[in-house]
Amino acid sequence: DVKVTQSSRYLVKRTGEKVFLECVQDMDHENMFWYRQDPGLGLRLIYFSYDVKMKEKGDIPEGYSVSREKKERFSLILESASTNQTSMYLCASSYPGPLSNQPQHFGDGTRLSIL
Amino acid sequence: RKEVEQDPGPFNVPEGATVAFNCTYSNSASQSFFWYRQDCRKEPKLLMSVYSSGNEDGRFTAQLNRASQYISLLIRDSKLSDSATYLCVVRNNQGGKLIFGQGTELSVKP
Repeated sequence: DVKVTQSSRYLVKRTGEKVFLECVQDMDHENMFWYRQDPGLGLRLIYFSYDVKMKEKGDIPEGYSVSREKKERFSLILESASTNQTSMYLCASSYPGPLSNQPQHFGDGTRLSIL
Repeated sequence: RKEVEQDPGPFNVPEGATVAFNCTYSNSASQSFFWYRQDCRKEPKLLMSVYSSGNEDGRFTAQLNRASQYISLLIRDSKLSDSATYLCVVRNNQGGKLIFGQGTELSVKP
């Protein structure tokens, strides 16, 4: 069974702090993704990565950066946290291939509150 | 216009009822289609992929109409445990990106 693990279920940080959200998958997946989910807006893609040291902007990358130093780990970084980044953050991974029918497997999510 | 649109819900149905969810997508080049299920405060989980010929998994039937850019999910003999939010998900041909609908909430009552 695929396992996608996010480092924290709940996190509270202050405005202006640098925040790291970690995600690890154990299935040797090439593709990894970070989403945020907000009421009324659904899931929105922040960044994704096809391979180590590779990253692509999603639909809402502003205020975020990512790091993929190892295949199994994909980190989301809030450079200077703001209150509008309070959200549920979901990491996902999948097998590669743009035409692949492989689904994405999600972590449990991190509920981040910025005060 | 949103890329993936779903019935807003919530759907409140009695146990044993049949319920259908609809979803439309705007990008005719979309490649793959899925239904995900998300329980309250949990992560989305794949319920089933949607194939061109339509497919069934137990009480769940998914259908795809490429001409109308329309996807549906039918749940027969609803159970209390089916209560969740159902997300319509479309993959475009840009390297695996998934586009999520906002979800339709289903509540099955005794």
